[in-house]
Amino acid sequence: DAKTTQPTSMDCAEGRAANLPCNHSTISGNEYVYWYRQIHSQGPQYIIHGLKNNETNEMASLIITEDRKSSTLILPHATLRDTAVYYCIVRAMYSGGGADGLTFGKGTHLIIQP
Amino acid sequence: DTEVTQTPKHLVMGMTNKKSLKCEQHMGHRAMYWYKQKAKKPPELMFVYSYEKLSINESVPSRFSPECPNSSLLNLHLHALQPEDSALYLCASNLGIGSNQPQHFGDGTRLSIL
Repeated sequence: DAKTTQPTSMDCAEGRAANLPCNHSTISGNEYVYWYRQIHSQGPQYIIHGLKNNETNEMASLIITEDRKSSTLILPHATLRDTAVYYCIVRAMYSGGGADGLTFGKGTHLIIQP
Repeated sequence: DTEVTQTPKHLVMGMTNKKSLKCEQHMGHRAMYWYKQKAKKPPELMFVYSYEKLSINESVPSRFSPECPNSSLLNLHLHALQPEDSALYLCASNLGIGSNQPQHFGDGTRLSIL
């Protein structure tokens, strides 16, 4: 799987939009971009994923650049409960077996300030 | 609340003990995973099961022995562990290898080896 690069940490004021960048310059055509977050002492929580189109769900929006070499996760109105480590992961789809686990990078520690 | 249930939540054991970690999901998922997460590090893949068969073993020492009795259950049998094996052990599942659907994680078992 392609590697990703994320800032180590970011701060955001409560109530503002949090924009978390991710670079994945070696992404392949069949690789999706996934975002997870991990709140202290919990398992990783799925947020959103996409291939090339922008995606939105009840938690966040995912903006993928046209060349697919980078993406941004947007939390529209950050709350204190959004403080967590956010992981950007690229993952290929394999049919009939083969490597399928997630390869986590170091992620971004997002701190929401009151 | 997670749809992947892991028990126990905490486990303390000596180096000569034998214990098992359990993971259960009822989402009809056919792929299940074990990850290990050391303190302040990202999760690392250990094992992948697809349709109840082991498909990936990431060179994990034999003192960790996975078992998938049926499509809803995944066990991790532990024997003669070392202090450096203390970590959070995470279970995950998804629809199946080759699916673009996300993996769902449990909240893990926090293991301490005395």
